[in-house]
Amino acid sequence: DARVTQTPRHKVTEMGQEVTMRCQPILGHNTVFWYRQTMMQGLELLAYFRNRAPLDDSGMPKDRFSAEMPDATLATLKIQPSEPRDSAVYFCASGLPGLAGPNEQFFGPGTRLTVL
Amino acid sequence: LAKTTQPISMDSYEGQEVNITCSHNNIATNDYITWYQQFPSQGPRFIIQGYKTKVTNEVASLFIPADRKSSTLSLPRVSLSDTAVYYCLVGDRGGQAGTALIFGKGTTLSVSS
Repeated sequence: DARVTQTPRHKVTEMGQEVTMRCQPILGHNTVFWYRQTMMQGLELLAYFRNRAPLDDSGMPKDRFSAEMPDATLATLKIQPSEPRDSAVYFCASGLPGLAGPNEQFFGPGTRLTVL
Repeated sequence: LAKTTQPISMDSYEGQEVNITCSHNNIATNDYITWYQQFPSQGPRFIIQGYKTKVTNEVASLFIPADRKSSTLSLPRVSLSDTAVYYCLVGDRGGQAGTALIFGKGTTLSVSS
């Protein structure tokens, strides 16, 4: 049963610290998304990649957030420095658009980040 | 990307059919209508997708009228485990531009016994 995996599942850190979240997309999927979910804002798209190239990161605060795909099996989202307002659940999703399920994205379990 | 409007919340009882309607007046010709389900502490899960008329799978049915300005997700005989947030999204097939879906607030469905 292919799944998107995310690590860590939970992260508590102090303001100013660097946070790195990792995602392993489903093997063969060529599109990877990063979302952030809070009670106030709901699910927000931060960035997404196609074939490891960034397609859109307009939803991401550029001064502190960065997203990369070092290889096809790993996507990373980094926050430096972290702030309390970054506290949220961060989801990674992968998909293979253009086929039978063009808008079907498979979500990971999320990383719950708390910045004190 | 077309904006969607759906009820904030709905209540139902076990065994009833639940219909959640979503409005998307500005849907584009290339757009598909997709529904996701999210349980607490989990990521959203794809339920169903359609372009026009009716689509049915083992989980739900999706009804789309001819003008495609709205759609209705139908959950037959809900159970307590169907308590979740349901999101209606509209987006294109992706193609070269990617498949950027915009999630709204969703509809919180509460099923009671």
